Amino acid sequence: DTAVSQTPKYLVTQMGNDKSIKCEQNLGHDTMYWYKQDSKKFLKIMFSYNNKELIINETVPNRFSPKSPDKAHLNLHINSLELGDSAVYFCASSLELAGLPGNEQFFGPGTRLTVL
Amino acid sequence: DAKTTQPTSMDCAEGRAANLPCNHSTISGNEYVYWYRQIHSQGPQYIIHGLKNNETNEMASLIITEDRKSSTLILPHATLRDTAVYYCIVGDLMMDSSYKLIFGSGTRLLVRP
Repeated sequence: DTAVSQTPKYLVTQMGNDKSIKCEQNLGHDTMYWYKQDSKKFLKIMFSYNNKELIINETVPNRFSPKSPDKAHLNLHINSLELGDSAVYFCASSLELAGLPGNEQFFGPGTRLTVL
Repeated sequence: DAKTTQPTSMDCAEGRAANLPCNHSTISGNEYVYWYRQIHSQGPQYIIHGLKNNETNEMASLIITEDRKSSTLILPHATLRDTAVYYCIVGDLMMDSSYKLIFGSGTRLLVRP
């Protein structure tokens, strides 16, 4: 079974549309994350949720809204998509907040979003 | 900003050891060094972490200098499947005493046949 899964794997859409990316982890972790990897391959954290509560909220446009219906799921909703939103989005999870031993992050396979 | 600096790229021959250096001169006493790697088109994968002592697991060894200002990740017998971008990361301590991992640009390792 896949530890961290994301759907869809590819998403192609027009500017101005609203889309969602779903993430699920079956590891029993309390913390989940969304990262964005742009065309230059820099991987930047966007959000972190711990026990369904928002912990990390980087400087991300409010068009991006994470939603965590339960500990195993963290979905990313994006409104009014722009060309600059094109990137690969990775979901990750860890036991608790990453940075201390035992809290290594497990990443999903990524969702490649292309905005036309 | 990332708290580590790494060479942009390296290469090694298949079967030989790959030694990937990392500088983290501003590391604090209780901050761990983490290594992740990202194989093309996949999500990053955890490799190893350490605080002061050298560490070894089934994937790699981590050598941390005594002053903790630098470290080296060693892949003892590199294979073609080890071709990837390797990230050395030091956690960024936040106000609430939790950590945030900031990925830098990493080292692109090419393992040659």
